[in-house]
Amino acid sequence: GENVEQHPSTLSVQEGDSAVIKCTYSDSASNYFPWYKQELGKGPQLIIDIRSNVGEKKDQRIAVTLNKTAKHFSLHITETQPEDSAVYFCAASKGPLVMRFGAGTRLTVKP
Amino acid sequence: DTGVSQNPRHKITKRGQNVTFRCDPISEHNRLYWYRQTLGQGPEFLTYFQNEAQLEKSRLLSDRFSAERPKGSFSTLEIQRTEQGDSAMYLCASRNPADGTNEKLFFGSGTQLSVL
Repeated sequence: GENVEQHPSTLSVQEGDSAVIKCTYSDSASNYFPWYKQELGKGPQLIIDIRSNVGEKKDQRIAVTLNKTAKHFSLHITETQPEDSAVYFCAASKGPLVMRFGAGTRLTVKP
Repeated sequence: DTGVSQNPRHKITKRGQNVTFRCDPISEHNRLYWYRQTLGQGPEFLTYFQNEAQLEKSRLLSDRFSAERPKGSFSTLEIQRTEQGDSAMYLCASRNPADGTNEKLFFGSGTQLSVL
């Protein structure tokens, strides 16, 4: 089955700097790659996603890139703010089939 | 609120007791998923339903766990004879493969289970 690996497990940046989180997946048939943000005591919230027919997608300060050949995808957050501090998860699925998650990255943005 | 709703938010129980959690998905979503999340880990898949049919169960779902979705709307997850290792956040999520955003998975806030 699908295996998703995520790194780093923790990331600390200064406010205003950029943050990059990387994930790899094992199943070449996976074609949908979302990113979730989870704050303490809450469920994961979808922040951006990308499908395998697209190489990059941007939404304001966040962007996701996908390299299908290498089977990896990344989340980029620019101009980080303290409210970006949270745990971020990547995931992969084959369309609407079961989604598998990475282990998470705890991002801390220091003011 | 039209999001995924889970009850209770927190449950504390003694080892050996049975517990039941409820999930109300987004109303038009026909697929409902249960995940388990332990501290410092990502959500791990347990099981999912399409309407009332349970289509897949993970090996993580031992015989003590049972899930139902009798009318294809809300779902319950029951854990019998709880063990300390069952302590975790139990997350419910839903999606609607019938619409144009069929892959998007929406989560509830979870039920935090503590087994003493």
